[in-house]
Amino acid sequence: DGGITQSPKYLFRKEGQNVTLSCEQNLNHDAMYWYRQDPGQGLRLIYYSQIVNDFQKGDIAEGYSVSREKKESFPLTVTSAQKNPTAFYLCASMTLDRGFVGELFFGEGSRLTVL
Amino acid sequence: GQQVMQIPQYQHVQEGEDFTTYCNSSTTLSNIQWYKQRPGGHPVFLIQLVKSGEVKKQKRLTFQFGEAKKNSSLHITATQTTDVGTYFCAGPLVTGGGNKLTFGTGTQLKVEL
Repeated sequence: DGGITQSPKYLFRKEGQNVTLSCEQNLNHDAMYWYRQDPGQGLRLIYYSQIVNDFQKGDIAEGYSVSREKKESFPLTVTSAQKNPTAFYLCASMTLDRGFVGELFFGEGSRLTVL
Repeated sequence: GQQVMQIPQYQHVQEGEDFTTYCNSSTTLSNIQWYKQRPGGHPVFLIQLVKSGEVKKQKRLTFQFGEAKKNSSLHITATQTTDVGTYFCAGPLVTGGGNKLTFGTGTQLKVEL
């Protein structure tokens, strides 16, 4: 089945530690995205990438880093510089061959808790 | 910057009642999308509207895109417990370029028996 796989599903981290969240897609989509969701809140864009080896900051990029070495993969690192990292992290992808911004396909998310 | 607001933030209804959520953008949108997120789940795409004044139906769900392409609504007729979740609208960010969506603040729907 085609889709987006995020891991781990749940993650606990001590303050001061970096953590990397994995996101893999087999949909052959060009663009990939990372969103953050806080309880009862909407989705805020952290980073996105439209092509391999290139990515752009979203609205809340501070304290996060990403890489896009392969089309299928877009890992997100939550660094110790992120002041409030406890949140639900959602990875998504989109095809860019329709000529306009189309639908996002989301992974099941990673829930990060900082102790 | 571009903002997308939704009202109401929360809505409790009795099963069988109707429900409507409204989405308003500070700028004109080339298209509007709607997503549903079940409790503990991830957002799932419902529909995309592209044309001014467009209306689309999916069973008990009716979606509208405003004439000025700055607002949209989702109406559910005769709600069921399976409709529980948070409904988000989303539109492409115009300023700054890039293929990305700005999400609305969401409307959380609870349906009671």
